[in-house]
Amino acid sequence: QSALTQPASVSGSPGQSITISCTGTSSDVGGYNYVSWYQQHPGKAPKLMIYDVSNRPSGVSNRFSGSKSDNTASLTISGLQAEDEADYYCSSYTSSTTLVFGGGTKLTVL
Amino acid sequence: QVQLQEAGPGLVKPSETLSLICTVSGGSVSSGSYYWSWIRQPPGKGLEWIGYVYYTGGTNYNPSLKSRLSMSVDTSKNQFSLKLISVTAADTAVYYCARAQWGRWFDAWGQGTVVTVSS
Repeated sequence: QSALTQPASVSGSPGQSITISCTGTSSDVGGYNYVSWYQQHPGKAPKLMIYDVSNRPSGVSNRFSGSKSDNTASLTISGLQAEDEADYYCSSYTSSTTLVFGGGTKLTVL
Repeated sequence: QVQLQEAGPGLVKPSETLSLICTVSGGSVSSGSYYWSWIRQPPGKGLEWIGYVYYTGGTNYNPSLKSRLSMSVDTSKNQFSLKLISVTAADTAVYYCARAQWGRWFDAWGQGTVVTVSS
């Protein structure tokens, strides 16, 4: 199975909004509403930020939102804060009943 | 609050078997809502899903690792485990155990354990 495609890096200034894309195929992202997003700070385990495309777990800021169109899912972070600087990964369920991650995106807060 | 903790050797020789155990506390591996998963992250690289085991013992593996992989669950000890045979330097990574709700998203993670394959 091939990794989902994410931009290697994105950046934004405090207070701005950024969007990270996650592109797959009709066998994964496009076929199911089972995309999740994870935040990973250096040396730490990933943290769930969004599940099932657009749902936020309890305790995650409402500045984080998710959406999907066809084979591309997106994570939007509004009101950027310094603490948002991290790596972000998307994941999707696949038609093979497996899971696949994206390659990861490094977010820099300028 | 569920907690997961990985345990196992930090150094494995090439061609040998990598074995890890994940102990779950604050929750039960016998819960039908969860699939108990392994994920790895090579140094400086992204996350790779390795596979999961269900409380019944059913498994699903990453096709690229399937021929070398086995996972099992021990409900009496509230643990699940990973065995990867014939390892090479490419298997060097931080290995995470995680809980996948409905097999779709990872809502709890261990802290990760570093495994280095080297002679």
